[in-house]
Amino acid sequence: GNSVTQMEGPVTLSEEAFLTINCTYTATGYPSLFWYVQYPGEGLQLLLKATKADDKGSNKGFEATYRKETTSFHLEKGSVQVSDSAVYFCALSKPYNFNKFYFGSGTKLNVKP
Amino acid sequence: GAGVSQSPSNKVTEKGKDVELRCDPISGHTALYWYRQSLGQGLEFLIYFQGNSAPDKSGLPSDRFSAERTGGSVSTLTIQRTQQEDSAVYLCASSSVHEQYFGPGTRLTVT
Repeated sequence: GNSVTQMEGPVTLSEEAFLTINCTYTATGYPSLFWYVQYPGEGLQLLLKATKADDKGSNKGFEATYRKETTSFHLEKGSVQVSDSAVYFCALSKPYNFNKFYFGSGTKLNVKP
Repeated sequence: GAGVSQSPSNKVTEKGKDVELRCDPISGHTALYWYRQSLGQGLEFLIYFQGNSAPDKSGLPSDRFSAERTGGSVSTLTIQRTQQEDSAVYLCASSSVHEQYFGPGTRLTVT
C-alpha cells in the first residue's frame, strides 16, 4: 500500500542549529512528495513539494530532495529560528489516483532561543 | 481568491447530539477531503470526494459519520449521536493538481 513514515518527535534544537526531519515513503509508480507545516493554533499550509525524482523543493530556507533510490524526502534547514517551531507533516500523492493524499504522523519541532 | 473556509470554527455539543460541520472549498477545485486531528496527533483521513465519482469513505471510523458534497462544491460532515472520543479538530482540504489547501478547521468538543 501507500504510506509515509516520519521520524518521531518532538525534536528540540537551539536557534541556528541544523535541522533534519526524516521522511520515507512506500508507493508504486511515481508519487509527488510534500512537506506541510502547522504553526501553533493555525491550519496546515504547504511548505514545499517535489513532483519527480531528483527534484529539490525549497521554501523559507527549508529544502527537501526527492530520492527515489532511497524512497526518501528528508526536510533540512541550515539554521533554524524560534519562529520555525511547528509541526511538520510529510505527505505523498499518487498521480494515477488523482489527488489522493497520504500523510505522515507529523514531527513537532521546538526551537529554543 | 478566498481559501478553504470551514464553519463553525468551534462547536461544543453534548454527548448524544448530532452535529454538522461545513466546508466551502476553493472555487474550481474538484477534490475535497475531510481529516480529523486529535490533540497532539497526526492527520486521520476520513473521506475524499473527487468530481462526480463515488466518494472514498474508507476512513470513516463508524456509521455515525457521514458526509455529502452538494453540487460539486460545499461539503457537510455529519456526526450522529456524538461521543466524547469524537472531540478533535476536523480539517477540510480541497486540491488542484498536486497540491492540497487546508481550511482552518472546526474544533469539536463533546461534553
